Amino acid sequence: DVKVTQSSRYLVKRTGEKVFLECVQDMDHENMFWYRQDPGLGLRLIYFSYDVKMKEKGDIPEGYSVSREKKERFSLILESASTNQTSMYLCASSFSFSLPNTEAFFGQGTRLTVV
Amino acid sequence: SQQGEEDPQALSIQEGENATMNCSYKTSINNLQWYRQNSGRGLVHLILIRSNEREKHSGRLRVTLDTSKKSSSLLITASRAADTASYFCATTKYGNKLVFGAGTILRVKS
Repeated sequence: DVKVTQSSRYLVKRTGEKVFLECVQDMDHENMFWYRQDPGLGLRLIYFSYDVKMKEKGDIPEGYSVSREKKERFSLILESASTNQTSMYLCASSFSFSLPNTEAFFGQGTRLTVV
Repeated sequence: SQQGEEDPQALSIQEGENATMNCSYKTSINNLQWYRQNSGRGLVHLILIRSNEREKHSGRLRVTLDTSKKSSSLLITASRAADTASYFCATTKYGNKLVFGAGTILRVKS
């Protein structure tokens, strides 16, 4: 079974802190994604990566950056956490663009609270 | 921007009844997928329908796709309490970049 693992289920951070959310997948997937989920807004794409060191902005990249130094690991970085970044963060992975009709596999989510 | 919009936002039914959820999207797609999310957890893939397909079945799930209307529906037959969850449609446009809608909250009462 594909496994996507997020480093924390719950996280509480202070305003202004630099926050790292880590995601690891074990299926050799090319694509990895970071979404945030807020009530009534569904999942909004922050960033995605289609290869090591490659990234593209999603719909809401402001205040976030990402790092993909190894194929299996995709990190989301909140440069200076703010209270409006309190949310559920979901990581996902999928096979490459050359296989266009494939599903995404999700981690269990990280509920981040910024105080 | 969100590609898919689900309707209704919330649905409450009795166990054994059928549940129908709809999804509309705005632009051309490669495929449309449906996911389920149990409370506070990650999403689980249910079914994928390609843009050249009109209907697909998987167990108690039936998905239809109408590309002329840019809409899809998910039917869950003979619902169970365990089907209580949020359901999301997602579309792929550029490669495998998945864009989600706001979701439908389904509650199945036993």
